[in-house]
Amino acid sequence: DAGVTQSPTHLIKTRGQQVTLRCSPISGHKSVSWYQQVLGQGPQFIFQYYEKEERGRGNFPDRFSARQFPNYSSELNVNALLLGDSALYLCASSLRMGTGTYNEQFFGPGTRLTVL
Amino acid sequence: SQELEQSPQSLIVQEGKNLTINCTSSKTLYGLYWYKQKYGEGLIFLMMLQKGGEEKSHEKITAKLDEKKQQSSLHITASQPSHAGIYLCGINSGGSNYKLTFGKGTLLTVNP
Repeated sequence: DAGVTQSPTHLIKTRGQQVTLRCSPISGHKSVSWYQQVLGQGPQFIFQYYEKEERGRGNFPDRFSARQFPNYSSELNVNALLLGDSALYLCASSLRMGTGTYNEQFFGPGTRLTVL
Repeated sequence: SQELEQSPQSLIVQEGKNLTINCTSSKTLYGLYWYKQKYGEGLIFLMMLQKGGEEKSHEKITAKLDEKKQQSSLHITASQPSHAGIYLCGINSGGSNYKLTFGKGTLLTVNP
């Protein structure tokens, strides 16, 4: 079975531009979470979506938005890009909402975003 | 201060040696994940610990959870170059069970 897939692998944008990142969860998983990982740091939580609704949001500005589609895939959008948005964006999928018992979070390979 | 502290920040060992990585939380633990990450790549799930005293093993990697001390240790026996990477612990801190909070990671280098 395929794991979590993300596209594109790498992306280069300039300040002020907008970007859309995509994630396909493991088959059967209904929850998708997005994390931002800056070099040298652990991943920081951005959003969790379950059954197409936002279930949790991290401490990120409104420039960050996301949505989940009926097939449970998800998109992360970032508007008005800043240099500080350069990071590895990770998507994680799980069977159910939350991060509790027997609901392991499986991560994709990430999208490397560089903002110039 | 960090909610999750990992130690050491980096570790260099000779192939075949044993090693331990620690993860300490400033908050009550409701569940702890261990992941491995190759530089610039996604996170590989290793194991999840839920209960105090719980111990799990995967191949030569063993992790234990000490709820009272609010910490977990990850032990690798007879390390191999394939064990090299960044080891990250992440916790579900209970109040917000929709997200994981991660430590900064421990960079492990295994010299052949």
